[in-house]
Amino acid sequence: EAQVTQNPRYLITVTGKKLTVTCSQNMNHEYMSWYRQDPGLGLRQIYYSMNVEVTDKGDVPEGYKVSRKEKRNFPLILESPSPNQTSLYFCASSIRDFPLLEQFFGPGTRLTVL
Amino acid sequence: DAKTTQPNSMESNEEEPVHLPCNHSTISGTDYIHWYRQLPSQGPEYVIHGLTSNVNNRMASLAIAEDRKSSTLILHRATLRDAAVYYCIRDDKIIFGKGTRLHILP
Repeated sequence: EAQVTQNPRYLITVTGKKLTVTCSQNMNHEYMSWYRQDPGLGLRQIYYSMNVEVTDKGDVPEGYKVSRKEKRNFPLILESPSPNQTSLYFCASSIRDFPLLEQFFGPGTRLTVL
Repeated sequence: DAKTTQPNSMESNEEEPVHLPCNHSTISGTDYIHWYRQLPSQGPEYVIHGLTSNVNNRMASLAIAEDRKSSTLILHRATLRDAAVYYCIRDDKIIFGKGTRLHILP
C-alpha cells in the first residue's frame, strides 16, 4: 500500500531535549515536505526537499533541522525543543515538485513540549 | 502576494451540490491551482488540480475562471463524509492558509 508513515504519532517531551520525528514514504517520490498545523494558523511549511541531499527552508524553519540522505526518509529534528513548537506535524511527499503534483500526507505527529 | 482567499466556512445540505470558491488574483499563467481537504483528525488529502480548463475526477470538479483569478471546487452531491476543511493553494508558493470549513446538514 502506498503510504507516508510518521513516528511517533504522539510525543510529550520537555524543553531542550533533542528529538527526531521520522517520516518515510514507499512511493519513490522525489519531493518531501514537513508542515506544522496550529489552531487559527492553518498548515505552514517548515522545510522541503526536492531530492536526496537537496533541502530548503519553508515559511517557518526556525528551530528545526532536516536531512535527506535517502530518497524514502526525511526526518525532522528539533535540537532544543521549546514550548512554542508544540504543534501537530505532517510529513508529505510528491512525485515531483514542479509543477507540484498530488501530495500524499502522513497521519500526523502530535508533539507537546513542556 | 501568493496567497489565496477563501470563505472561512460554508454550509450545505446533504445530497445537494456544493460550490467552494477561491480567489487567486495574482496567479501567473503557469501556476497550477490545487485543492486539498482535511477530514477531522486526519492529514490533508488531495482532491483535484488544474491549470486553465475545467477538470473532473471521481471526487470533484474544478472550474477555473477564464482570467484564472478565481476557481470553484464543485462537489456534485455532498455527503456527510464531505464535511472537512477545504484548501485552495497555488503551486508557486505552498500556502495552505485556513481554508473553508464545510458543514453538511443531514
